[in-house]
Amino acid sequence: AQSVTQPDIHITVSEGASLELRCNYSYGATPYLFWYVQSPGQGLQLLLKYFSGDTLVQGIKGFEAEFKRSQSSFNLRKPSVHWSDAAEYFCAVGARSGNEKLTFGTGTRLTIIP
Amino acid sequence: DSGVTQTPKHLITATGQRVTLRCSPRSGDLSVYWYQQSLDQGLQFLIQYYNGEERAKGNILERFSAQQFPDLHSELNLSSLELGDSALYFCASSGGPSGLAQYFGPGTRLLVL
Repeated sequence: AQSVTQPDIHITVSEGASLELRCNYSYGATPYLFWYVQSPGQGLQLLLKYFSGDTLVQGIKGFEAEFKRSQSSFNLRKPSVHWSDAAEYFCAVGARSGNEKLTFGTGTRLTIIP
Repeated sequence: DSGVTQTPKHLITATGQRVTLRCSPRSGDLSVYWYQQSLDQGLQFLIQYYNGEERAKGNILERFSAQQFPDLHSELNLSSLELGDSALYFCASSGGPSGLAQYFGPGTRLLVL
């Protein structure tokens, strides 16, 4: 069964600083990988996705993520955060066949300090 | 705006009652997924429909059921509600049977008193 670990429950960074949110997955083959963001009281917005090909994927709002098969990781990065980036971030893994459900990590809450 | 709509936005009801949550997928999407988000369980997959047929089932209670109609909108029915059913219920849609990217609606917040 697939699983996702987001080891950081809460991260605080200063506005303008760089950001890296960690995500490790467990899956028997190369999975589909996703990052979603959820602002308070809102739904989940898709930031970026990895299906195949280039292991560095670009997303919306200046985010990028790198798929590292050897480390079973799909970390999210942003070179310079903005106060509007404060939210909860979820990494998710999807199977390539069979059950198409997404399995989500527990999320990382990002706080931005001025 | 993801293009997925969900109604109602908020729902307050009593234990033992039954409610229906509605979801309209993005235009052209054939797959609809239901997820439950709660503080203790996080985001959990409940069920998937593809073009009117149930395709995958997750941690969905027997008291819960869903269906997808010919116009592709979906309903999630929750019955014999318990306090622990209070949660945010999300619908997501995608373009094909193999999922690919799922786009989420704004959710329905259910409070069972």
